[in-house]
Amino acid sequence: QVQLQESGPGLVKPSQTLSLTCSVSGDSISSASYFWNWIRQPAGKGLEWIGRIYTSGRTDYNPSLKSRVSISVDTSKNQFSLKLSSMTAADTAVYYCAREIGAVTGLFDIWGQGTMVTVSS
Amino acid sequence: QTVVTQEPSFSVSPGGTVTLTCGLTSGSVSTTYYPSWYQQTPGQTPRTLIYSTNTRSSGVPDRFSGSILGNKAALTITGAQADDESDYYCVLYLGSGIYVFGTGTKVTVL
Repeated sequence: QVQLQESGPGLVKPSQTLSLTCSVSGDSISSASYFWNWIRQPAGKGLEWIGRIYTSGRTDYNPSLKSRVSISVDTSKNQFSLKLSSMTAADTAVYYCAREIGAVTGLFDIWGQGTMVTVSS
Repeated sequence: QTVVTQEPSFSVSPGGTVTLTCGLTSGSVSTTYYPSWYQQTPGQTPRTLIYSTNTRSSGVPDRFSGSILGNKAALTITGAQADDESDYYCVLYLGSGIYVFGTGTKVTVL
C-alpha cells in the first residue's frame, strides 16, 4: 500500500524559507509512471496547486509562486521536498503532497495527510 | 492569471440530481484541459472522483459522472445521498505542466 507522509516545521517566521519533505513508502519514487506534487489549502479555503517533480528532476510550478518555489527529489531516500521562500501570513495553510499518475491526467490518486504550516513571528 | 470558476454552493434533496460546473474566466473548457473532480469533507484529504473528463476513479459509485457541458466541465451527482454532502473541487490542466484548481462548490444534501 502506497503512503505519503509530509514532515517539516509547523511554524515559520515571516520572510523565512519553508522546507517540507514528503516520504514515499510502498512504491519507488523513481517509477516512470508518476509525478510528485505539492498542493496547499488555507484554512476554510480552496486547494492551490504549487508544483510537481518527475523522477528525472523535471519540475513544473504554479506561475504565481514560481519565483519563490523549488521542488527537488532524492531518489536514494524515496523522498521529494518543497522549499518556499519569503514566507508571509498568506502562506499559512495545510500543505499536502500527492502522487499524480501520468503526466497529464489530473489524477492525484494518493495524498499525504497534510501538514499545517503557520507563518507567524 | 487564469481563474477556474465553480458555483459557491448547491443544495440538493436526497435522491435528487445536481450538476456542478467548472469554467474559465476566459475561454472554454474542453477535454484538452483533462478536467478532474475531487471530493473533500471537512478535516479529510481530497478524494478523486473523476479524472480526464469522465473516467471514474476506482471505487467511486456510478452516481458520479463527468462531462463537458457547453463551455464548462461538469460533475453530475444522480441520486444524491447524505454522505455526498462535501466540498467539490475541479482541477484543470492548462498546458506546460501547469494545473489550477477551481474555487470549490459546497454541496448540501437536505
